Amino acid sequence: TQLLEQSPQFLSIQEGENLTVYCNSSSVFSSLQWYRQEPGEGPVLLVTVVTGGEVKKLKRLTFQFGDARKDSSLHITAAQPGDTGLYLCAGRYTGNQFYFGTGTSLTVIP
Amino acid sequence: NAGVTQTPKFQVLKTGQSMTLQCAQDMNHNSMYWYRQDPGMGLRLIYYSASEGTTDKGEVPNGYNVSRLNKREFSLRLESAAPSQTSVYFCASREGGFQPQHFGDGTRLSIL
Repeated sequence: TQLLEQSPQFLSIQEGENLTVYCNSSSVFSSLQWYRQEPGEGPVLLVTVVTGGEVKKLKRLTFQFGDARKDSSLHITAAQPGDTGLYLCAGRYTGNQFYFGTGTSLTVIP
Repeated sequence: NAGVTQTPKFQVLKTGQSMTLQCAQDMNHNSMYWYRQDPGMGLRLIYYSASEGTTDKGEVPNGYNVSRLNKREFSLRLESAAPSQTSVYFCASREGGFQPQHFGDGTRLSIL
């Protein structure tokens, strides 16, 4: 059973376009993290959101945690080829166990 | 600063062989994790260790065993490898609280 569903699974866009990736669950998380993974490497943390309704910005990336802390979104403005990679969300209830989403593979075409 | 180091990086096994994947972290983190990553499945937790001396099952523990050798090292053992265990295995560590996980670069394991 996949507790976190990400959509879309694959995304191919032109450089300069905007995009949004979604991470949804029926469960309430105490915190949620977004990671980016490049081929042959482990995931690298982008952001952690903790409070319902929280919005965080990291240059052209905007992350939002849903009011009920069951969902999150990642919006990229003016995508660049360097944004290409696999984007993963990961939620934590309490304790030390994390549940990862299915991932969104993004390709930005120059 | 090495972070999380996994060995080996690649391995091919025959069905029924055994193997231990090694993981070491130099960040003095309390918690360590083993995940497997398969296409379209994201990362799934196999086992984790909240602190030295403790281990707990994750989502997919069957066919695996772990040892938290000390605070730095957390190993994953396949006693009798099966083709279904072909995957990329990632080790991670974190301090605790809302701190993030730090991942190694993975071990690519193929079982024939």
